[in-house]
Amino acid sequence: DAKTTQPNSMESNEEEPVHLPCNHSTISGTDYIHWYRQLPSQGPEYVIHGLTSNVNNRMASLAIAEDRKSSTLILHRATLRDAAVYYCIRNRRTGNQFYFGTGTSLTVIP
Amino acid sequence: NAGVTQTPKFQVLKTGQSMTLQCAQDMNHEYMSWYRQDPGMGLRLIHYSVGAGITDQGEVPNGYNVSRSTTEDFPLRLLSAAPSQTSVYFCASSYTHYSNSPLHFGNGTRLTVT
Repeated sequence: DAKTTQPNSMESNEEEPVHLPCNHSTISGTDYIHWYRQLPSQGPEYVIHGLTSNVNNRMASLAIAEDRKSSTLILHRATLRDAAVYYCIRNRRTGNQFYFGTGTSLTVIP
Repeated sequence: NAGVTQTPKFQVLKTGQSMTLQCAQDMNHEYMSWYRQDPGMGLRLIHYSVGAGITDQGEVPNGYNVSRSTTEDFPLRLLSAAPSQTSVYFCASSYTHYSNSPLHFGNGTRLTVT
């Protein structure tokens, strides 16, 4: 199965860090891990992606386990605008076929 | 840049009618794709294209046709609409078809088939 496993929902307090987990135990060596988020009534938005080593950008950090069977998206300081559904996707090396699961719905509490 | 533009934003069809959902991108992206999103099911890949003149099927292609005559445009055709095709449709593009190339999504077309 090409899809990943994520918790259905999570909550975080505003201005605290959030760690969103993802399991991709059947990942192959050349699959990239991508994270997207979707705000209500909008299309998904790219957050970050990586292959083996941890990655940082202005939006978030991505920590990838050494065996690559799991990863964690880290939002360093959650804001109300971060409330969204977060999708973790494993993407095959060619064909760019993204298979979305149902994602994690993040609620940020003021 | 406009990014990925989808039209129309909303559409209501009767069963058996046909229509085309339009998708255009102005980023010179090689790869384009169509997804549908149903409540509680995430996004499912319908069709994709790795370049002009090349298309292929995704997870749920039945009832839909696509073509890619130009780099910019990737229309999705419903030949005979069915209530099961009521959904939100998203078009997405990326610079290449390699898996390290992030997708850029449009804002969707909400389709209702009665």
